[in-house]
Amino acid sequence: GAVVSQHPSRVICKSGTSVKIECRSLDFQATTMFWYRQFPKQSLMLMATSNEGSKATYEQGVEKDKFLINHASLTLSTLTVTSAHPEDSSFYICSARVDRGQLNNQPQHFGDGTRLSIL
Amino acid sequence: QKEVEQNSGPLSVPEGAIASLNCTYSDRGSQSFFWYRQYSGKSPELIMSIYSNGDKEDGRFTAQLNKASQYVSLLIRDSQPSDSATYLCAVTTIKAAGNKLTFGGGTRVLVKP
Repeated sequence: GAVVSQHPSRVICKSGTSVKIECRSLDFQATTMFWYRQFPKQSLMLMATSNEGSKATYEQGVEKDKFLINHASLTLSTLTVTSAHPEDSSFYICSARVDRGQLNNQPQHFGDGTRLSIL
Repeated sequence: QKEVEQNSGPLSVPEGAIASLNCTYSDRGSQSFFWYRQYSGKSPELIMSIYSNGDKEDGRFTAQLNKASQYVSLLIRDSQPSDSATYLCAVTTIKAAGNKLTFGGGTRVLVKP
């Protein structure tokens, strides 16, 4: 159980393109999902917390107009990188937490990640 | 001081030996503790979760938590080459809005045949 599906797994596109990444919880409901970014040989950096039916909470330094997050249902969150540039190239990973019991004790389950390359 | 600290490694372990990984955290209010394994180029996968002081065993893995000393450790018994990966310690604290996970920088483990 607790499977998170993330698509696409890899994107290569030209500078200025907007890219949408989907994150789905396949066998559970997730009121809260998380979006991370990871550069080579570094740990995960939380970008934002995605809340179903409300606005996402962005971490300090993350541009909300650049990284649009929509969490329209209990099983789907999307991240859109708008007008992407080469510096946006990175590994983007989503995670979801099962809506059960004490939320603070629930682990996050990760999608397979999306490797974004902007030319 | 980082909120969650790990030795970056690499931790080199002979096949069949025990790998011992440590993690310290700064917030005494931390409640939940997780170990994730991340292979190169892949996303993290959950190995263990632990919430109370003491040991928790799952197969070849044992997590140990000591809240008084603010550390959590992971032991990997009978290490296999397939255990070569980066191991991430993650902590949930009360003060973190939205119950965010705070990750350590990860410890890279190399199991040599």
